Amino acid sequence: EVQLVESGGDVVQPGGSLRLSCAGSGFTFARYWMSWVRQAPGKGLEWVANIKEDGTDKYYVDSVKGRFTISRDNAKNSVYLQMNSLRVEDTAVYYCARNTFDMWGQGTMVTVSS
Amino acid sequence: QSALTQPRSVSGSPGQSVTISCTGTSSDVGAYNYVSWYQQYPGKAPKFMIYDVNKRPSGVPDRFSGSKSGNTASLTISGLQAEDEADYYCCSYAGRYTHWVFGGGTALTVL
Repeated sequence: EVQLVESGGDVVQPGGSLRLSCAGSGFTFARYWMSWVRQAPGKGLEWVANIKEDGTDKYYVDSVKGRFTISRDNAKNSVYLQMNSLRVEDTAVYYCARNTFDMWGQGTMVTVSS
Repeated sequence: QSALTQPRSVSGSPGQSVTISCTGTSSDVGAYNYVSWYQQYPGKAPKFMIYDVNKRPSGVPDRFSGSKSGNTASLTISGLQAEDEADYYCCSYAGRYTHWVFGGGTALTVL
């Protein structure tokens, strides 16, 4: 079955860190750009970051630059999002998505609260 | 990196057609033919419905169609069905540094 499965969401205090993981299966993971997209409660979708097939190029939305880092391990068919200096406004469901968002995981919830 | 502009809500009766607009700028929607649309039910992940302005992935009914004129893209759903009631989001490529921008979402109600 072709799928993406996220994990790592949790409740964390402002200023804290969290690492999200996304495992792909059923397709040749190393051939695709991968992205993270988030959705705050009751809000719309927001692209967060993406990474090239070989991991050499990475891009971020302005609001997370310098705080979040996207990475991947093609041997493990996985993409990661290291989130540091978390803020209340980072609270959201985080989805990983393939390429131009043609496939999505089920999402993992990140709550930043004191 | 401003979001694309979509109406907050639209509605239609079963069998009718509705169109959802998505307005961007000359730096995103107007510059690239990389507009896509997603359907999302409450508590679920988005589903890929339209890509490259007007192409449908396999499995998406041909009742769903996309178009673009200038800085505005549109999603048209014809022959509305109750199961079409959901939130719809547009997305556009916005260049090398901004990359991707989504619309704010439109809630479709089937009356």
